[in-house]
Amino acid sequence: AQSVSQHNHHVILSEAASLELGCNYSYGGTVNLFWYVQYPGQHLQLLLKYFSGDPLVKGIKGFEAEFIKSKFSFNLRKPSVQWSDTAEYFCAVNAGAGTALIFGKGTTLSVSS
Amino acid sequence: EAQVTQNPRYLITVTGKKLTVTCSQNMNHEYMSWYRQDPGLGLRQIYYSMNVEVTDKGDVPEGYKVSRKEKRNFPLILESPSPNQTSLYFCAARKTSGSLAGELFFGEGSRLTVL
Repeated sequence: AQSVSQHNHHVILSEAASLELGCNYSYGGTVNLFWYVQYPGQHLQLLLKYFSGDPLVKGIKGFEAEFIKSKFSFNLRKPSVQWSDTAEYFCAVNAGAGTALIFGKGTTLSVSS
Repeated sequence: EAQVTQNPRYLITVTGKKLTVTCSQNMNHEYMSWYRQDPGLGLRQIYYSMNVEVTDKGDVPEGYKVSRKEKRNFPLILESPSPNQTSLYFCAARKTSGSLAGELFFGEGSRLTVL
């Protein structure tokens, strides 16, 4: 069965620091990869997604992620975080449009101003 | 505007009292799903539906029922709620083909407390 691991449970950064959140998945075939963000008290929103093509994908609010197939990884990055990036971040994977989307347990990001 | 609407948003109930959380989407998406979110456990899928009259169990289906009689609606039914079903519930919808396939659109969430 597929699984998604997010290695960092809680990350605490100061404003302007750089961010990298790890995500690894276990599935040997073609995958679709997603990062979702959940701001406090809100529902999940899509940050970015990878289906195929350029493995470096750019999303909203300055976030980007790199798909490294050999490492089964899809790490999320942002060069300079802001206080408003405080949220919970979820990595998710599915094996195709008709299959279930599997979520990691999430990483809580706290940014201090 | 693309929307997934859940009701109620907040509910406090007692053990054993049947309840239904409704979910409706206006995007004509084939796939709908229910998740529960618990601290430290992330999102876990309860049930999903690939299309009308097609439903299947997710990772944590025990204690829940669903139905998909119409494409736009996917209610979650708790026949006899128990305290361990206290959680934040999200409904989601997505296409299963085309350029937007795979991207889940989430409802606002329903916070359920079972006493």
